[in-house]
Amino acid sequence: DAGVIQSPRHEVTEMGQEVTLRCKLISGHNSLFWYRQTMMRGLELLIYFNNNVPIDDSGMPEDRFSAKMPNASFSTLKIQPSEPRDSAVYFCASSFSGGVSEQFFGPGTRLTVL
Amino acid sequence: GENVEQHPSTLSVQEGDSAVIKCTYSDSASNYFPWYKQELGKRPQLIIDIRSNVGEKKDQRIAVTLNKTAKHFSLHITETQPEDSAVYFCAAFQGNTGNQFYFGTGTSLTVIP
Repeated sequence: DAGVIQSPRHEVTEMGQEVTLRCKLISGHNSLFWYRQTMMRGLELLIYFNNNVPIDDSGMPEDRFSAKMPNASFSTLKIQPSEPRDSAVYFCASSFSGGVSEQFFGPGTRLTVL
Repeated sequence: GENVEQHPSTLSVQEGDSAVIKCTYSDSASNYFPWYKQELGKRPQLIIDIRSNVGEKKDQRIAVTLNKTAKHFSLHITETQPEDSAVYFCAAFQGNTGNQFYFGTGTSLTVIP
């Protein structure tokens, strides 16, 4: 298995542009987590899904952020419009919710908003 | 919900010495406690974990202890090496209220050669 796959790995965009980050879960996993990591705030949980259903989106900073799971293995995190303070590394992670199990992180997307 | 606190935020040790990182949690329903290591520019990766029915677990130079009564758990690294330098995150998990992992704020460990 290739593990959790994220794309793009790096994204540089200008303020006001729409940004879409993508994540593919590990086969057989049914929980998906989006995190944001910055020096100032550390690792923040933005939203997580169980079986394609958003369970807790209280970490989503504001309405400019949205996340979807169009199918059981794929998720997108969209920022529209983007702002410089959104610059961070965004990780997605997946796990199997059928029991106590490890959470596997993707390689992350480094987003820079100019 | 769960609240995980981690200390210290930074830690420097001489090569060969031991390092200890401590975490506390608030919800007694948490039953799984993983530790992640994140090297610079890399993703967090699991290095050791412990379940609530166990008090201690060891894997070579790394050990984790859990005190359920006091609601704290600790990571112990012995005979530290420069390659142990990284940020370490603790986490608490409770499967009965969703499937959320609650992470600590991280400890930046520097091992001085």
